[in-house]
Amino acid sequence: DAGVIQSPRHEVTEMGQEVTLRCKPISGHNSLFWYRQTMMRGLELLIYFNNNVPIDDSGMPEDRFSAKMPNASFSTLKIQPSEPRDSAVYFCASSETGGGQPQHFGDGTRLSIL
Amino acid sequence: GDSVTQMEGPVTLSEEAFLTINCTYTATGYPSLFWYVQYPGEGLQLLLKATKADDKGSNKGFEATYRKETTSFHLEKGSVQVSDSAVYFCALKDTGFQKLVFGTGTRLLVSP
Repeated sequence: DAGVIQSPRHEVTEMGQEVTLRCKPISGHNSLFWYRQTMMRGLELLIYFNNNVPIDDSGMPEDRFSAKMPNASFSTLKIQPSEPRDSAVYFCASSETGGGQPQHFGDGTRLSIL
Repeated sequence: GDSVTQMEGPVTLSEEAFLTINCTYTATGYPSLFWYVQYPGEGLQLLLKATKADDKGSNKGFEATYRKETTSFHLEKGSVQVSDSAVYFCALKDTGFQKLVFGTGTRLLVSP
């Protein structure tokens, strides 16, 4: 039973470059979440989608960040241009609708911006 | 707004010791409550959950009881192992919302 799949697992790039993180949610899940985790700020919700529609993007740090969900099985988080302070682990999670339904997390993308 | 408060870590224990990690919450509705565990280099994994008052969630020897009167969901384990060393997150999902509200996490270190 495949879980949430994220790619790449690790990304190292120079500041100013465009970075694209990818996520495949669990089949049948209709909510998708992007998180960022750092030592300083802990776990932060960036944006979430319900039925492919962005519902709450209040956690997106600035206009350099954008997220899309073109269909139920794929989402991207893009940073353009990237900055060293964007270095973090980015997690994608998905869930079914319903109060008691938990979120299932991917293994994350460890992003380093030099 | 909704919030979750966890005890500060790290919690340092010897193998076979009893574990309690405190979690209290504030919510406007009737939330579901969750404990997640994060091992080094991995994503968060659901450990257990409870969806209504007095429910007890349990998994892998861990337990937590949803206490509405004290707005708490403390995590317990009778005998910890070195392999339980990880960061534990308490979280809630309030009525009508899809997103989780997380606590700051509590690091557990178990020594042999």
